[in-house]
Amino acid sequence: DAKTTQPPSMDCAEGRAANLPCNHSTISGNEYVYWYRQIHSQGPQYIIHGLKNNETNEMASLIITEDRKSSTLILPHATLRDTAVYYCIAHSGGTSYGKLTFGQGTILTVHP
Amino acid sequence: NAGVTQTPKFQVLKTGQSMTLQCAQDMNHEYMSWYRQDPGMGLRLIHYSVGAGITDQGEVPNGYNVSRSTTEDFPLRLLSAAPSQTSVYFCASSYFSASGSYEQYFGPGTRLTVT
Repeated sequence: DAKTTQPPSMDCAEGRAANLPCNHSTISGNEYVYWYRQIHSQGPQYIIHGLKNNETNEMASLIITEDRKSSTLILPHATLRDTAVYYCIAHSGGTSYGKLTFGQGTILTVHP
Repeated sequence: NAGVTQTPKFQVLKTGQSMTLQCAQDMNHEYMSWYRQDPGMGLRLIHYSVGAGITDQGEVPNGYNVSRSTTEDFPLRLLSAAPSQTSVYFCASSYFSASGSYEQYFGPGTRLTVT
């Protein structure tokens, strides 16, 4: 899996968009970008994933640059319940199914 | 669906004791994994399985054994507990989707303290 780099912490005001960046400059062509989050003491929760195109679901949007070297997770209207650690992971599956590599992630704090 | 379930939620062991952490999933997922998370740290992979009867080591396998006799269950055995194994243990299951990706679903965790 390609190494990913994220800022250690970010703040966001409630109701505003939270934009979480991730650098994955060595990502290979068959590696997807996944985002998970972990709310205090709970198991990680899948948010979204993408390969080349931008993706949107009910939780968030994922913007991947054209060269795929970086991506941004967007929470359009952050709430206090979005305070969590957010993990960006590059993973290809294949023979490494089941082996997600979690880094330190970004601690997002949403404040009133 | 109950998703991924883990038992027990909390456990205290003495050094040298053995025990088994249970993990079960009812989503018919092929892939299952065990992670540990130490305070203030990210998750580290202990063992994983790509199907019944097939397991492999992750990043930190020493001191742990696994087996996968059924699709549903993936127990983690601590052979001789040590204080360094004090951690929160998460089990996860996943499937390979038609779009070519897969997502992991995590259980609530088991908080283990070894004294």
